[in-house]
Amino acid sequence: QSALTQPASMTGSPGQSVTISCTGTGNDIGSNNFISWYQQHPGKAPKLIISAVNNRPSGVSDRFSGSKSGNTAYLTISVLQPDDEADYYCSSYTVSSTFELFGGGTKLTVL
Amino acid sequence: QLQLQESGPGLVRPSETLSLNCNVSGGSIVRGSFSWGWVRQPPGKGLEWIGCIYHSGKTFYNPSLKSRVTMSVDTSKNQFSVRLNSVTAADTAVYFCVRAAGEYQLLPQAYWGHGVLVTVSS
Repeated sequence: QSALTQPASMTGSPGQSVTISCTGTGNDIGSNNFISWYQQHPGKAPKLIISAVNNRPSGVSDRFSGSKSGNTAYLTISVLQPDDEADYYCSSYTVSSTFELFGGGTKLTVL
Repeated sequence: QLQLQESGPGLVRPSETLSLNCNVSGGSIVRGSFSWGWVRQPPGKGLEWIGCIYHSGKTFYNPSLKSRVTMSVDTSKNQFSVRLNSVTAADTAVYFCVRAAGEYQLLPQAYWGHGVLVTVSS
């Protein structure tokens, strides 16, 4: 099964907002709400920042929010900060194959 | 605070078997019904879910790796393991051990080890 589709890179300025998309199919994003987002800084393990489409784990800034429409999920980061510069990965449960499918990742640069 | 730590050889020869352990501290593998799994990341590339196991021994594997993967759990040592056979250079990656956020769920992964780089080379 192919990875979920994310833009390879995005750029934003401090204080601005960015929205990262994650497109799948009716077999994954379109058919369940186990949609998650992870943040990964260089050389570090990924960190869960959004689960179940739009839930933030304890300790995650409310500047991070998630949403979904049809087969596409979105991660919005508001009031960008320099430390938001990282790779972001979406993931979804796959209905037919029972596993976690990741997106290809988006490298966010904060200039 | 739950902590996961991977261990195993950093170099594996082509066609041989990759074997990694994940030691769990700060919590018991048998407490609750959480899935314990593995995710890998080739250098400079994205994440790939390998599979997971419950302390009961029930497993779920990525279909693309299912024919080569075996996971096990050792509750007496509070650790779980992964074996990947017939490895090639394409299996070179950082391997992370993980635990799901909620009980009876395969995802998302709330706890991650630091990761261990495994290189497949002769």
